[in-house]
Amino acid sequence: KAGVTQTPRYLIKTRGQQVTLSCSPISGHRSVSWYQQTPGQGLQFLFEYFSETQRNKGNFPGRFSGRQFSNSRSEMNVSTLELGDSALYLCASSLSQLWGYTFGSGTRLTVV
Amino acid sequence: AQSVTQLGSHVSVSEGALVLLRCNYSSSVPPYLFWYVQYPNQGLQLLLKYTSAATLVKGINGFEAEFKKSETSFHLTKPSAHMSDAAEYFCAVSDISNFGNEKLTFGTGTRLTIIP
Repeated sequence: KAGVTQTPRYLIKTRGQQVTLSCSPISGHRSVSWYQQTPGQGLQFLFEYFSETQRNKGNFPGRFSGRQFSNSRSEMNVSTLELGDSALYLCASSLSQLWGYTFGSGTRLTVV
Repeated sequence: AQSVTQLGSHVSVSEGALVLLRCNYSSSVPPYLFWYVQYPNQGLQLLLKYTSAATLVKGINGFEAEFKKSETSFHLTKPSAHMSDAAEYFCAVSDISNFGNEKLTFGTGTRLTIIP
């Protein structure tokens, strides 16, 4: 079956712009989580959605937001981009914690 | 709050030698524990998971890990290293005491290098 699909794979944006990243989970998975990976901070949890509702949120500023659609696809948005937002953004989907999380290949965002 | 500590940010082993990557967790209740592997420019791939069934867990690619509650550890091992094992490995913990708290807390990762 198809895995978790993230688009685009690579993005280059300018400071101050905004960006939207997309994630299509595995069919049947209703939980979608987002993580930011940087060399300095490692893997950090952004937020998790389940059935279109945000259930959990990490410690990121309000510039980071997300949503989930009725087909479980999810988007995350970062407004007013800063250089420090350059990172690999990973999306993961799951049936539940018991089954583990399947990650996509990520979107590498570079802010210049 | 739960946390994960991975001892050794870099580990080098010879091809054919034992691989041992260390992970200790801190959690108020027995958590779910995971090991993930990341190859360059890729996402995370699940190697194995502990979800309170058998304490010795076997995963993909010949890896296994043992949950030791008394030591709060979940070390990853492989009897014989292969060149293709070179990658970064992450230990992660999930808090099961809070329904709906579906998030992973990751360790800082261990980069494994295989010496030919």
